[in-house]
Amino acid sequence: GAVVSQHPSWVICKSGTSVKIECRSLDFQATTMFWYRQFPKQSLMLMATSNEGSKATYEQGVEKDKFLINHASLTLSTLTVTSAHPEDSSFYICSAKRGTNVLTFGAGSRLTVL
Amino acid sequence: ELKVEQNPLFLSMQEGKNYTIYCNYSTTSDRLYWYRQDPGKSLESLFVLLSNGAVKQEGRLMASLDTKARLSTLHITAAVHDLSATYFCAVVGSQGAQKLVFGQGTRLTINP
Repeated sequence: GAVVSQHPSWVICKSGTSVKIECRSLDFQATTMFWYRQFPKQSLMLMATSNEGSKATYEQGVEKDKFLINHASLTLSTLTVTSAHPEDSSFYICSAKRGTNVLTFGAGSRLTVL
Repeated sequence: ELKVEQNPLFLSMQEGKNYTIYCNYSTTSDRLYWYRQDPGKSLESLFVLLSNGAVKQEGRLMASLDTKARLSTLHITAAVHDLSATYFCAVVGSQGAQKLVFGQGTRLTINP
């Protein structure tokens, strides 16, 4: 079955540093990937839609200069949290679209900012 | 704006009992998904429902969709402890929209 690999699965960083999270579709090409954020005991909130070869589409309230998204190939999208602060600590999950109806989720990346 | 509401948000039940989780959404949708999430883990896909009247079953879980009522249900039959998890429904808007909007999640605890 379709597999989406997310790396790292967890990361701890100091406040003010930047962290990059990778999302790879391992056995299919994904022109569209999605990035979600999930705070503890809450639902998933879409942050942005990542389209291969073009700029990401950000949801209202998500700072595009803080959460940089790059989708440079059909199998890789990256999310960089710039100048991270403790309030950015969260579970970040990517998903990749395969075909019309199939969305495959990565395992998630837990970010803790000290 | 598409809104998705689940109820109940918390459900504690005994093994062997049946129960239903409800998912209402506010605007016309092409697709509705059900996911399971275990603590600290990502989402596991359970069902995708594409048309009015669609019913899908896997083991003790059965999902249905009524597009006219904008309602989906996830029915649990003879619950077992292993089904304890948080269950999310998520809806994609119509007209080619790609955005997936999630419900709040239902935290299900099944007690022996």
